[in-house]
Amino acid sequence: DQQVKQNSPSLSVQEGRISILNCDYTNSMFDYFLWYKKYPAEGPTFLISISSIKDKNEDGRFTVFLNKSAKHLSLHIVPSQPGDSAVYFCAAIIFNNDMRFGAGTRLTVKP
Amino acid sequence: DAGITQSPRHKVTETGTPVTLRCHQTENHRYMYWYRQDPGHGLRLIHYSYGVKDTDKGEVSDGYSVSRSKTEDFLLTLESATSSQTSVYFCAISEGPSTDTQYFGPGTRLTVL
Repeated sequence: DQQVKQNSPSLSVQEGRISILNCDYTNSMFDYFLWYKKYPAEGPTFLISISSIKDKNEDGRFTVFLNKSAKHLSLHIVPSQPGDSAVYFCAAIIFNNDMRFGAGTRLTVKP
Repeated sequence: DAGITQSPRHKVTETGTPVTLRCHQTENHRYMYWYRQDPGHGLRLIHYSYGVKDTDKGEVSDGYSVSRSKTEDFLLTLESATSSQTSVYFCAISEGPSTDTQYFGPGTRLTVL
């Protein structure tokens, strides 16, 4: 039973345009959400997070939006750069130390 | 980069054999985690540790055991490996509980034939 879902396995965008990665969750008890980025043959690296008491968090080119009523969050990357090409994982935390990941979305940014 | 190493980086073994994966950190972080990554599932938590000799189960703990005798080392053991345990295993560390940023190691690719 996958409680965190990334329904788009892949996304391709042009350099300079906006990338929007989506994530849905089923458990309303999740109270903290994160995005991780992963390059091939490396471990995931933390990108940005958001608490359930907020609906937006911004860090440079990266913005995460949380819609609790829809149980949906999204990651916006503006402008997209070729170096952003990676697999992006959405994750959600319920209680301490129980982090659930989505299956990932592979982003390709074309020059 | 956080100082996390995993050994071995690659391993091929046969069904029924015991396997131990090692995670070593130089950051003195209290929390350590073991995840597995499989296509279509993302990363799933196997076990975690919140201190020396303090461990707890994660989402997919069956068939795995862990030990932490020192702050810097967290071992994952497959007592009798099965083909379903073929996966990429990642270790992670954090200063506090999982709402703190987790730093991941480079991963271990395990193949069970």
